[in-house]
Amino acid sequence: GQSLEQPSEVTAVEGAIVQINCTYQTSGFYGLSWYQQHDGGAPTFLSYNALDGLEETGRFSSFLSRSDSYGYLLLQELQMKDSASYFCAVDRGSTLGRLYFGRGTQLTVWP
Amino acid sequence: KAGVTQTPRYLIKTRGQQVTLSCSPISGHRSVSWYQQTPGQGLQFLFEYFSETQRNKGNFPGRFSGRQFSNSRSEMNVSTLELGDSALYLCASSFGEGKNIQYFGAGTRLSVL
Repeated sequence: GQSLEQPSEVTAVEGAIVQINCTYQTSGFYGLSWYQQHDGGAPTFLSYNALDGLEETGRFSSFLSRSDSYGYLLLQELQMKDSASYFCAVDRGSTLGRLYFGRGTQLTVWP
Repeated sequence: KAGVTQTPRYLIKTRGQQVTLSCSPISGHRSVSWYQQTPGQGLQFLFEYFSETQRNKGNFPGRFSGRQFSNSRSEMNVSTLELGDSALYLCASSFGEGKNIQYFGAGTRLSVL
């Protein structure tokens, strides 16, 4: 079967750095992506890693290790507005099916 | 460029009724996926349509069905509603080829009484 594991909750203070880990076990793998969802809002795309290594986009970075079936999202210089749920999702390719989402990590940023 | 539009935003139905939800994807996107989101369950995949054909399907009963039109707009239908169908239903569109990056609509919140 398929499985994605990520922590259910993470808390941090403004200005800190937080890392949200994601481990996966799936048949077929094209890439790992991350989505952010604020309460009452739609999930929005943050990043996509197809190859091993670190991808940086402003304050957010995402890492992938295909050999370890592991990735993480790194959020730096945390702001209150970063409080949201973060989902990792595996892209199994169009023939094997859609994005397979984890259950999400609720990040709370305190002042 | 307009985003993904879902209608209606809110819906209240009673058990046994049926409901149809609508999704208009981003212009140029040929793939539309539907998800059910309930507290603590993440996003549960329902199905994906690409060029009017159902390409992938999740593990939901046959009461859940969908279709896609030639303009890529999609509808999802749930028949014989049950209390457990109360959820946020999200639609997402993508090009359907290459990297699977999906753009979500705001969702339809369905309450079944």
